[in-house]
Amino acid sequence: KAGVTQTPRYLIKTRGQQVTLSCSPISGHRSVSWYQQTPGQGLQFLFEYFSETQRNKGNFPGRFSGRQFSNSRSEMNVSTLELGDSALYLCASSPQGRDTEAFFGQGTRLTVV
Amino acid sequence: GEDVEQSLFLSVREGDSSVINCTYTDSSSTYLYWYKQEPGAGLQLLTYIFSNMDMKQDQRLTVLLNKKDKHLSLRIADTQTGDSAIYFCADLTMFSGGYNKLIFGAGTRLAVHP
Repeated sequence: KAGVTQTPRYLIKTRGQQVTLSCSPISGHRSVSWYQQTPGQGLQFLFEYFSETQRNKGNFPGRFSGRQFSNSRSEMNVSTLELGDSALYLCASSPQGRDTEAFFGQGTRLTVV
Repeated sequence: GEDVEQSLFLSVREGDSSVINCTYTDSSSTYLYWYKQEPGAGLQLLTYIFSNMDMKQDQRLTVLLNKKDKHLSLRIADTQTGDSAIYFCADLTMFSGGYNKLIFGAGTRLAVHP
């Protein structure tokens, strides 16, 4: 069974641009969560999607958004990029979101210059 | 809000046991997790423990939970150089409506030396 796939693995963007990251969950998993990892703030919850609906959202500005498609693949978008958005963005999938096990992808490393 | 704390660094000799500690504040915690992150990689789920358990053993890994003190530990027996990584403790927190998010500690960097 394939694991969680995140694309691209690395991105370099300029301040003010926007970026879209993609996450394909494990087959059969319907919940996708996104986390931001930075040296200063550690791992922080961004949002969670289930059956194309955002169920939960962390404390991030509105520049951070996401969506989920009918095949459970999810994208997150960051608009008007700031230097502080440089981070490793991790996606986790689980069958229902209430589950005990969340499996993470390799992450997308975003660098904003 | 909920918080999870860990010591930041641990150095052990190859073959010794490693013990990584974690404290959490969530009084309604149901599951607690240990994840491992190697350089340039995502998070690998190592093990988890349900809050009504005191101990869980899985091969070289032993998890101890003291619910009264809200203290969790991960013991790695016969630590190898391949165990060098950052270890994250995480608490499963319920939103209203029963949905979950993980609250992570800052991570403990384990260095294994010969």
